[in-house]
Amino acid sequence: GAGVSQSPSNKVTEKGKDVELRCDPISGHTALYWYRQSLGQGLEFLIYFQGNSAPDKSGLPSDRFSAERTGGSVSTLTIQRTQQEDSAVYLCASSHSSGTSAYNEQFFGPGTRLTVL
Amino acid sequence: GNSVTQMEGPVTLSEEAFLTINCTYTATGYPSLFWYVQYPGEGLQLLLKATKADDKGSNNGFEATYRKETTSFHLEKGSVQVSDSAVYFCAISGGSNYKLTFGKGTLLTVNP
Repeated sequence: GAGVSQSPSNKVTEKGKDVELRCDPISGHTALYWYRQSLGQGLEFLIYFQGNSAPDKSGLPSDRFSAERTGGSVSTLTIQRTQQEDSAVYLCASSHSSGTSAYNEQFFGPGTRLTVL
Repeated sequence: GNSVTQMEGPVTLSEEAFLTINCTYTATGYPSLFWYVQYPGEGLQLLLKATKADDKGSNNGFEATYRKETTSFHLEKGSVQVSDSAVYFCAISGGSNYKLTFGKGTLLTVNP
């Protein structure tokens, strides 16, 4: 079956512009996560969705970052007024649920590589 | 909060050598433990996991045992192959949302 997909795969933007990154989770997965992978910081959690709500936004680095999820499916991560330090690979992951068993495996998408010039 | 410390590397081995990548963690409660692998040009894949103390996760010759007393989850493989060359990440999950906390990653290169 289809895995987690993300688009675009690469995005180059100029400092100060807004960008939107999209994630299509595996069908039926209620939990969705965004992570960021950068050379300096490694892999960091950004935000978690359960259905359409985001009970944990603790990893968003600033108020320039926001995310939404609609229909319990597609999620969009928006970065406003991009800065060079936002350059990273943004990863999306989904899982069946996050509260009903010891662990539900997170399946990762291929990521979006964002470069801010 | 949770944190993971893993051997940073890079690690370079010859084919058929023994591999150990150390990983220790700090966490509240009883986290689940994971090793993820990222092959060149590919996304993150779950390699193995363990959900409670003394569990051993294994996959394709790789093993790691959940050691609560030493808060460790070291990755081992008895005989590495060139195709094992990748970046390996130790991770833990905990709390009600099971978000993952990752180590910095260890680059493994296996030479023929």
